[in-house]
Amino acid sequence: AQTVTQSQPEMSVQEAETVTLSCTYDTSESDYYLFWYKQPPSRQMILVIRQEAYKQQNATENRFSVNFQKAAKSFSLKISDSQLGDAAMYFCAYRRGNAGGTSYGKLTFGQGTILTVHP
Amino acid sequence: GAGVSQTPSNKVTEKGKYVELRCDPISGHTALYWYRQSLGQGPEFLIYFQGTGAADDSGLPNDRFFAVRPEGSVSTLKIQRTERGDSAVYLCASSSGHGYGYTFGSGTRLTVV
Repeated sequence: AQTVTQSQPEMSVQEAETVTLSCTYDTSESDYYLFWYKQPPSRQMILVIRQEAYKQQNATENRFSVNFQKAAKSFSLKISDSQLGDAAMYFCAYRRGNAGGTSYGKLTFGQGTILTVHP
Repeated sequence: GAGVSQTPSNKVTEKGKYVELRCDPISGHTALYWYRQSLGQGPEFLIYFQGTGAADDSGLPNDRFFAVRPEGSVSTLKIQRTERGDSAVYLCASSSGHGYGYTFGSGTRLTVV
C-alpha cells in the first residue's frame, strides 16, 4: 500500500518570504501522480500543483514550485513571495497511474501541514 | 452545477441514529469519490464510483457505512447506528473519469453526540 508522510505539522513564514513544505511517499509503482492541495477553513480542497512521475522537470505554477526527487521519493512544495492568503492546511497526495486498475483514481493523503503567514 | 455541492454543511446526530449525506457532483463527471477527514488529519478514502457502480469500496470502515449513486450523478453516503467515532468531515469529489483533475466539495461536518 502507498503511504504519504508530511513530517512538519506546522510551519510559519513571513509575508513575502519563501517557505518549503516537505513530503515523502512510499510506493513500489513507477507510474503515479503527486499533488499538493490547499485546504482553507472553508474545508474545500484546492489543487495547488501536480507532478507526473514520468516527467523529470519539476512542476511550477506561478509562486508555487516543487522539488521532485523520484529516487528519494520526496516531493516538497516551495512557496515564494508568501502572501497572507496562502495561510491554510496543505496536503500532499499520491495517485497511482492509469494502469493501476479500477482504483487508480483514489488519492492517498498525508497528514497535512498548517501554514501560518505573518504580516 | 458549477461546483460539487454537499448537503447538509453540518449535521449533529445522536449516537445510534441513521444519517444520510448527499453529494451533487459537477454535471457530466462520471467519477465520484467519498473521503472522511478526522480532525487534524488528512482525508481517507472511503469509496469510489464510476458511473452508477462502486468501482472500489475498500475504504468503507465497516458494514454500517453504505453509499449509492443510482443514476450516476448524485450520491448518498449512508451511516447506520452512528457512533461517536464517526464524527468527522465527509468530503466528496468528482472528476471527468480520468482521475486526473478532481473538484472537491466543502464537505459535511458530522458530529455524533
